Amino acid sequence: AQKVTQAQTEISVVEKEDVTLDCVYETRDTTYYLFWYKQPPSGELVFLIRRNSFDEQNEISGRYSWNFQKSTSSFNFTITASQVVDSAVYFCALSEAHTGGFKTIFGAGTRLFVKA
Amino acid sequence: IAGITQAPTSQILAAGRRMTLRCTQDMRHNAMYWYRQDLGLGLRLIHYSNTAGTTGKGEVPDGYSVSRANTDDFPLTLASAVPSQTSVYFCASSRSGGNTGELFFGEGSRLTVL
Repeated sequence: AQKVTQAQTEISVVEKEDVTLDCVYETRDTTYYLFWYKQPPSGELVFLIRRNSFDEQNEISGRYSWNFQKSTSSFNFTITASQVVDSAVYFCALSEAHTGGFKTIFGAGTRLFVKA
Repeated sequence: IAGITQAPTSQILAAGRRMTLRCTQDMRHNAMYWYRQDLGLGLRLIHYSNTAGTTGKGEVPDGYSVSRANTDDFPLTLASAVPSQTSVYFCASSRSGGNTGELFFGEGSRLTVL
């Protein structure tokens, strides 16, 4: 069964600190996709990254980096030198195949507060 | 650029009433989804459609129905609303039926059932 666990409900950091958001997933499929989305206080959902199950290479995009480890079923997200604008709820998501297509499910989200 | 349009933006509804949340996309995406967002529970998939004419159940389908008569529209109906259906509802679409790509979301519909 599909499951995504984000154990951290809320994290509070001071600006310029590094912060890692954890994501652990469960799936029986060998082909699947992992995502991170950001939901700022304005409420919209913004796509950040997609990873497929065959590509464990870590990725860096500016201050954001992602660590995908199949051995531990984790897809963690690190923000380096956090800024107040990073304050948001972050969702990890898993997409796997079902009859007729794919379904994407989300974790409960981690609310990040970055204080000036 | 419209993307995904949801209506209404917000609605207060008496329990027992029927309600349809509308969702329209202009990106010609094959796949569409309905999620509900509740504090502490994240986004939960209600129903999905991988292509026009087909629908499937998500994690929390009870009390909801959907239809997909064409590519662009994916309405969500609450046949007889109950207070536990108070939530923010997000419609989403993705580029392919395989859903290997990102989800594009509407701005959400806030529904309060009294």
